[in-house]
Amino acid sequence: GENVEQHPSTLSVQEGDSAVIKCTYSDSASNYFPWYKQELGKRPQLIIDIRSNVGEKKDQRIAVTLNKTAKHFSLHITETQPEDSAVYFCAATITGFQKLVFGTGTRLLVSP
Amino acid sequence: EAQVTQNPRYLITVTGKKLTVTCSQNMNHEYMSWYRQDPGLGLRQIYYSMNVEVTDKGDVPEGYKVSRKEKRNFPLILESPSPNQTSLYFCASSSRVRGTDTQYFGPGTRLTVL
Repeated sequence: GENVEQHPSTLSVQEGDSAVIKCTYSDSASNYFPWYKQELGKRPQLIIDIRSNVGEKKDQRIAVTLNKTAKHFSLHITETQPEDSAVYFCAATITGFQKLVFGTGTRLLVSP
Repeated sequence: EAQVTQNPRYLITVTGKKLTVTCSQNMNHEYMSWYRQDPGLGLRQIYYSMNVEVTDKGDVPEGYKVSRKEKRNFPLILESPSPNQTSLYFCASSSRVRGTDTQYFGPGTRLTVL
């Protein structure tokens, strides 16, 4: 079955810096890759996703890139702000199968 | 308001005492799932359901049961809870339509089994 590895487990940056979180997946059939942000004590919330027919997607300060050949995808946050501090999870699945496999999470800390 | 609800939000129980965590969604979603979240392990899928009366095991189904008798409800049943089931549980739902298949999570249920 699918296995998703996520790095780093913790990431500390200064406000205004960029942050990059990387994930690799094992199942070449996976075609949907969402990213979730989880603030302390809250539920995971989708922040961006990408499907296997595109290589990059942007939404304001957040972007995700996908390399299908290498089976890895990354989350890029530019101009980080303290409110970006949270745990970020990547995930992979095959559309229609609903078996979402998550990475182990990255705790991002943005210092003012 | 479109939402996924779970009850209870917090539960402390003892080993062996059967319990049910309810999950309900009002978005007419076909798909529903249960996850548990443990430190350092991320979110792991327990069971999922593609539609009414259709359920399947996720990655960590041992010790859990589910049912899907109605489209909106997907209860998680622990027939004989054990301390290793102490965890944070999330229910999620999504549409089956590509492009709108984002999984929406409930608020979570923190379970402690003594």
